[in-house]
Amino acid sequence: RKEVEQDPGPFNVPEGATVAFNCTYSNSASQSFFWYRQDCRKEPKLLMSVYSSGNEDGRFTAQLNRASQYISLLIRDSKLSDSATYLCVANPGKLIFGQGTELSVKP
Amino acid sequence: DTAVSQTPKYLVTQMGNDKSIKCEQNLGHDTMYWYKQDSKKFLKIMFSYNNKELIINETVPNRFSPKSPDKAHLNLHINSLELGDSAVYFCASSHLSSLGDGGYTFGSGTRLTVV
Repeated sequence: RKEVEQDPGPFNVPEGATVAFNCTYSNSASQSFFWYRQDCRKEPKLLMSVYSSGNEDGRFTAQLNRASQYISLLIRDSKLSDSATYLCVANPGKLIFGQGTELSVKP
Repeated sequence: DTAVSQTPKYLVTQMGNDKSIKCEQNLGHDTMYWYKQDSKKFLKIMFSYNNKELIINETVPNRFSPKSPDKAHLNLHINSLELGDSAVYFCASSHLSSLGDGGYTFGSGTRLTVV
């Protein structure tokens, strides 16, 4: 079983749509969590941290459920520029990346 | 001014060769990492150094040998390259003490193709 699991997608959505990504992690010792974004043939970049109380950054909302070991990312009002792969990350002392979920936003 | 820089960006080489990838960071971070991203896009940690000391050494063939001459540099040497070594290798850095705050800064990657 992978330490961090995500639906690889692809998710194909129209502009303006709301899309949700889910992720589960297996190591209960994980202390912090993140969502990274990776554009095609580029390096991963930190999108946002994920806090137990849930947190929002503009159109992006991240949630964490420690009991279920579940993390989510909600993107509202999708833009063409949101097209990328979204990587779920858990930190049990080192960053463990999920396989990524590919998002394609179409006009 | 690039924060984490890797060289070369592309590397095409024949099976059996030995090659090195270099990484430098100017962020003042104390910890550096090597990750491998395979054709399925899975990003997997290989090694980590904190202040020149090896702290993470995942299950990686011993043909891979990291070297950290100082805390701003982490190089990766690969002996006897195999077809399965073809991947993108990412260097990253962070402050070990603030890993819970913001994660890593990645270099732009080295795309290795073994033919």
